[in-house]
Amino acid sequence: NAGVTQTPKFQVLKTGQSMTLQCAQDMNHEYMSWYRQDPGMGLRLIHYSVGAGITDQGEVPNGYNVSRSTTEDFPLRLLSAAPSQTSVYFCASRTQGGGYTFGSGTRLTVV
Amino acid sequence: SQQGEEDPQALSIQEGENATMNCSYKTSINNLQWYRQNSGRGLVHLILIRSNEREKHSGRLRVTLDTSKKSSSLLITASRAADTASYFCATDSLWNQGGKLIFGQGTELSVKP
Repeated sequence: NAGVTQTPKFQVLKTGQSMTLQCAQDMNHEYMSWYRQDPGMGLRLIHYSVGAGITDQGEVPNGYNVSRSTTEDFPLRLLSAAPSQTSVYFCASRTQGGGYTFGSGTRLTVV
Repeated sequence: SQQGEEDPQALSIQEGENATMNCSYKTSINNLQWYRQNSGRGLVHLILIRSNEREKHSGRLRVTLDTSKKSSSLLITASRAADTASYFCATDSLWNQGGKLIFGQGTELSVKP
């Protein structure tokens, strides 16, 4: 098992550009989530999914879209990047025991 | 708003000492979890305690949960320099379908050799 795989690891965008952060898991987990981590803010939930075809908003969803067409993949789309979206983004999936497995993160800078 | 608040925000101790971190939360929960994050890395799940449990152990980790006070503590015994990291509590709300883990702001632990 590869666990939770996030790509890319680093990305620099110009204001107004769009991009998709990829997240894939090979553990057949139903629940998946996206978080952003800013200094001093801990992790904040952007969007989450309880299964293929079902997504919902978290604490800070504005400026982001998600879809869940398969159990394995949960991409996060930035529609029009803004400097306020400079952050580290983590994808996670929930194990049978209830704990979460995290990806290694994507460090995004918007200039 | 974030569910959990952690105390202290930063903690510096000597190797061999015990480290205690506290977490308070606001709503009813299914479970509470603790994670470790080394600098620049992803989060690693340490331990999960369910709402009907009061104490749980895993190696050098001891977690307590007081649902009446909506609080939890993480104790790391006989700390090592390798324990230097940020520690986060996270709650899985009673009303969640799942996938919605809410984090506190974390405690930064520094263990000096």
